[in-house]
Amino acid sequence: GQQVMQIPQYQHVQEGEDFTTYCNSSTTLSNIQWYKQRPGGHPVFLIQLVKSGEVKKQKRLTFQFGEAKKNSSLHITATQTTDVGTYFCAPPEGLFYNQGGKLIFGQGTELSVKP
Amino acid sequence: DVKVTQSSRYLVKRTGEKVFLECVQDMDHENMFWYRQDPGLGLRLIYFSYDVKMKEKGDIPEGYSVSREKKERFSLILESASTNQTSMYLCASSLVVGTGRYEQYFGPGTRLTVT
Repeated sequence: GQQVMQIPQYQHVQEGEDFTTYCNSSTTLSNIQWYKQRPGGHPVFLIQLVKSGEVKKQKRLTFQFGEAKKNSSLHITATQTTDVGTYFCAPPEGLFYNQGGKLIFGQGTELSVKP
Repeated sequence: DVKVTQSSRYLVKRTGEKVFLECVQDMDHENMFWYRQDPGLGLRLIYFSYDVKMKEKGDIPEGYSVSREKKERFSLILESASTNQTSMYLCASSLVVGTGRYEQYFGPGTRLTVT
């Protein structure tokens, strides 16, 4: 079935360093969502990207959707301890909007930040 | 603010018991989902529902069933609990896909231990 590969699986950074996680699909995506899960918490929606080449920013977080709509990335500038958690990409199943809004979650990238 | 609640944060059951996990959302969302989350395996979809009394199998439905008698409530049933069903169970809800905004809102999770 449809899958997305998310790399790296783990990333340990020093506070203040940058961080990037990548999400790759073998098929073209209609859009992609990103979620963050803090340790001991539940996933929380961050953003949805829809357009080819789209770039969106949320403070120190920059989200990109590839030109071919097959990959996406999340970049965090100058990480802080509050950025700790697991980041998931999640495109919808299928090329078009599907009934029920089923998402395909990547394996996630676990970010740890050393103060 | 969307609120998704789950009946228990922690649950301990014995092998062979019938287990009910309840999920309630208060935002009139059409779609509801049940996931399990295990270390290294990410989020795996068990079942989802896009309307009352409608249900669709996810990626790992074996050993589970669901019930959606009311729009706001989605129940996950373990007919005969087994130790390999020890996991974190997450419920989520979202708007209908046609709205263009179908990000998922997650409940706090139920950590189920089967002994």
